[in-house]
Amino acid sequence: ETGVTQTPRHLVMGMTNKKSLKCEQHLGHNAMYWYKQSAKKPLELMFVYNFKEQTENNSVPSRFSPECPNSSHLFLHLHTLQPEDSALYLCASSQGTSGGLYNEQFFGPGTRLTVL
Amino acid sequence: SQQGEEDPQALSIQEGENATMNCSYKTSINNLQWYRQNSGRGLVHLILIRSNEREKHSGRLRVTLDTSKKSSSLLITASRAADTASYFCATARAIGDTGRRALTFGSGTRLQVQP
Repeated sequence: ETGVTQTPRHLVMGMTNKKSLKCEQHLGHNAMYWYKQSAKKPLELMFVYNFKEQTENNSVPSRFSPECPNSSHLFLHLHTLQPEDSALYLCASSQGTSGGLYNEQFFGPGTRLTVL
Repeated sequence: SQQGEEDPQALSIQEGENATMNCSYKTSINNLQWYRQNSGRGLVHLILIRSNEREKHSGRLRVTLDTSKKSSSLLITASRAADTASYFCATARAIGDTGRRALTFGSGTRLQVQP
């Protein structure tokens, strides 16, 4: 256990559905991240929150909407997704700092998303 | 192209042999990190080496860093079947125009250790 939990672990949804992914960290960290991992592609950073402030939106389509209500929780709201959005979605956390976010990251187990 | 690129993409060895994976990067770094991922799971941090360090050990892991060549290597000695996983290096890159940095990951090396 890394101290980062993600729910659900598996999700199958149609293109017209609305669903949310949840991430929770119990490590006292201030930075949280969403990554997308597709087959045979590098890990793609989607969003970064540092002290609840979104510091990066890596050109992610608006059908993905993040929410960070506090430093321990991170959500990814999904709506009108496409089949190519099927992937493993990973949440991570780290010690947030004002100067940089390149400390050790702790990952959750991921949500395997399938869009039909 | 990626900030961190691992080489080789795939490696298959026998149990007991050593496994060496390499990572090259393009810009200056604060530190370089290695992570491991079992199939379909989250990444697990293995080791962090700072830009002013040249070598670091952790158990059966040995990491080297050559900032002049912008490269790092991860050596796993006396490999075991349980070491079968994907291994990623990660380096910091700038976040837009913020002046801050975050980690970016390479494509990974898929290691298969045959029992």
